[in-house]
Amino acid sequence: NAGVTQTPKFQVLKTGQSMTLQCAQDMNHNSMYWYRQDPGMGLRLIYYSASEGTTDKGEVPNGYNVSRLNKREFSLRLESAAPSQTSVYFCASRTGQETQYFGPGTRLLVL
Amino acid sequence: GNSVTQMEGPVTLSEEAFLTINCTYTATGYPSLFWYVQYPGEGLQLLLKATKADDKGSNKGFEATYRKETTSFHLEKGSVQVSDSAVYFCALSGDSSYKLIFGSGTRLLVRP
Repeated sequence: NAGVTQTPKFQVLKTGQSMTLQCAQDMNHNSMYWYRQDPGMGLRLIYYSASEGTTDKGEVPNGYNVSRLNKREFSLRLESAAPSQTSVYFCASRTGQETQYFGPGTRLLVL
Repeated sequence: GNSVTQMEGPVTLSEEAFLTINCTYTATGYPSLFWYVQYPGEGLQLLLKATKADDKGSNKGFEATYRKETTSFHLEKGSVQVSDSAVYFCALSGDSSYKLIFGSGTRLLVRP
């Protein structure tokens, strides 16, 4: 039981490049989330998927797209990376009792 | 909308000192309240939770009581250890129960 896994762990991009952050969970949770964490700002919700086949915008969705590929997998795509997207990205999934479980994070640097 | 306010850090304590990290919230309805901990280089882990007024969540010596009258959920520990050094986040379930609203986090540094 690996919980929530994320790939890659680290990534460096140049401005304008694209990439996809992968997330998978093996806990059979319906809901999945993408957050970004910036110094002094806590966690901000980018997108979430309440259940397979649905996605919704969170607090800071601009510049991102998501795909809920199946119940296990939820990917985050940056189509044209900008320096403002330098951050640590966390994926999470949620039990029926509101508790969210987090992955180890992806550290992204956009030059 | 719902929001969470945490005391700013860093909080620096000596080993075996008493810890309090303040958290207050604004919410409609009856949200659940959470404390998460983030150790260096890792993701967030649930530390404890409380789902209704007057509930006390506890784990690993940490406690927090859901106080509806003061809209607070302060985190306490009687005797901290160096291994407790981490960032602590208070959170509540949002307007939609699918979401969590996080505070900005409080960094705790415990010195030997």
